[in-house]
Amino acid sequence: DSGVTQTPKHLITATGQRVTLRCSPRSGDLSVYWYQQSLDQGLQFLIHYYNGEERAKGNILERFSAQQFPDLHSELNLSSLELGDSALYFCASSATGVRGNEQFFGPGTRLTVL
Amino acid sequence: AQKVTQAQTEISVVEKEDVTLDCVYETRDTTYYLFWYKQPPSGELVFLIRRNSFDEQNEISGRYSWNFQKSTSSFNFTITASQVVDSAVYFCALSEAQRSQGNLIFGKGTKLSVKP
Repeated sequence: DSGVTQTPKHLITATGQRVTLRCSPRSGDLSVYWYQQSLDQGLQFLIHYYNGEERAKGNILERFSAQQFPDLHSELNLSSLELGDSALYFCASSATGVRGNEQFFGPGTRLTVL
Repeated sequence: AQKVTQAQTEISVVEKEDVTLDCVYETRDTTYYLFWYKQPPSGELVFLIRRNSFDEQNEISGRYSWNFQKSTSSFNFTITASQVVDSAVYFCALSEAQRSQGNLIFGKGTKLSVKP
């Protein structure tokens, strides 16, 4: 158990809908990273938050957004969902925003868009 | 451009065999970090090891060992006396100190199947 929690574990929804994925980092970790794992793209970095502020964006679509709240939990919002958004979404946390820190991953949320 | 290549898509071995998973990386940063993660069939990503670019010492942890060679830009992972529980997808990842904000760049993964 990494100490990172993600809810829900599974999510099934329809095209055009909007969903919110939630992540609670390990106790004391200030950084949260979101990644998407799909069969064709592999594991791709989406976005990084540190202590409530956005630090970096990766291959994140404009239809996707995220935020980190004062209690350090983070939410990833996916809107106008398409079939291709079906994937496993991971969040990871690390102690600080220092580059090179180990990132500990949550169990993931499996999103299926029908 | 930064990149991680795991050329072996799938490897199948019989229990007790040794197996090496290859990882080759590309980066222009002089300071960077390399990682290995394990993804068992249950789906979670488990951290195994981190190395920084200034530390080329090989590392051993039980049946696991890692060989980092800057000269060939490789960070290979060997499992000695493999066991069925080692069956998983293994990912090598790179984090650059200068050119990123700490996010990981993953290889495509190597699926290891250990048969009894």
